Amino acid sequence: DTAVSQTPKYLVTQMGNDKSIKCEQNLGHDTMYWYKQDSKKFLKIMFSYNNKELIINETVPNRFSPKSPDKAHLNLHINSLELGDSAVYFCASSQDGQGHYGYTFGSGTRLTVV
Amino acid sequence: AQSVTQPDIHITVSEGASLELRCNYSYGATPYLFWYVQSPGQGLQLLLKYFSGDTLVQGIKGFEAEFKRSQSSFNLRKPSVHWSDAAEYFCAVGALGNTGKLIFGQGTTLQVKP
Repeated sequence: DTAVSQTPKYLVTQMGNDKSIKCEQNLGHDTMYWYKQDSKKFLKIMFSYNNKELIINETVPNRFSPKSPDKAHLNLHINSLELGDSAVYFCASSQDGQGHYGYTFGSGTRLTVV
Repeated sequence: AQSVTQPDIHITVSEGASLELRCNYSYGATPYLFWYVQSPGQGLQLLLKYFSGDTLVQGIKGFEAEFKRSQSSFNLRKPSVHWSDAAEYFCAVGALGNTGKLIFGQGTTLQVKP
C-alpha cells in the first residue's frame, strides 16, 4: 500500500490548458502539503492544509488552487498553464501540523507544459 | 530570515569510502532539522531528524548526523558508502511559527565510483 500517492506521475500539456493533480494519503496524517521542485531541484512550499483547513498559502499565482475534500486528500488544480509551470510537484503529509516528525512524500508529478 | 545552505552541489566518493555531506542553517531558535534522500524519479525519503536531546542522531540506511549549535551545522555522515547511496540529498529546517513548513537546502548530488 502506497502511503502517499499522486496521480498522474507524468503530465504533458499545452499552454493555456487547465489540469489537476490528485494526492491521497492513507497514513491518517492531519496535514498535507504541495511542494514545487524546479529544474535546479530547489524545493519550495506552495500550500498546506490541516484537516481540510488552509494553513499555508505561499506566494503562488492565483491560477493554482488547492482543494482538500477531506483530510486524506489534497488536490491541486492549475488554470491557464504557462511554460514556467513546468516542474515536479510533490505532495507530502505529516503526522502533526508542526512538521516535527518530518514529511512522507509522494513520488511526484512531472508536469511539462509545451 | 531562515535558510539552509548545502555548500557542496556535487560530491563523488569511491564505494566503501566514508561520506560527509555538509549542511548549515540560519535560525533564530532551536531548530528542527532533517535530512532527506531523493533517488532519480522518486519522492523524498526521510533519513533522520533532530529535535532536541542527543546531538548525534542515527537514521536509516546506516546514516547519522551531528547537530552542532556553535557551528549552526547538521552534517550527514556514513562510514562506508554503497553504490546504491548515489542520489540527491537534501537538508531541511522547520520554519519558525510551527506551521509545518520546511525550508530545504539546494541539495547535494552524490555520485559513487565503483
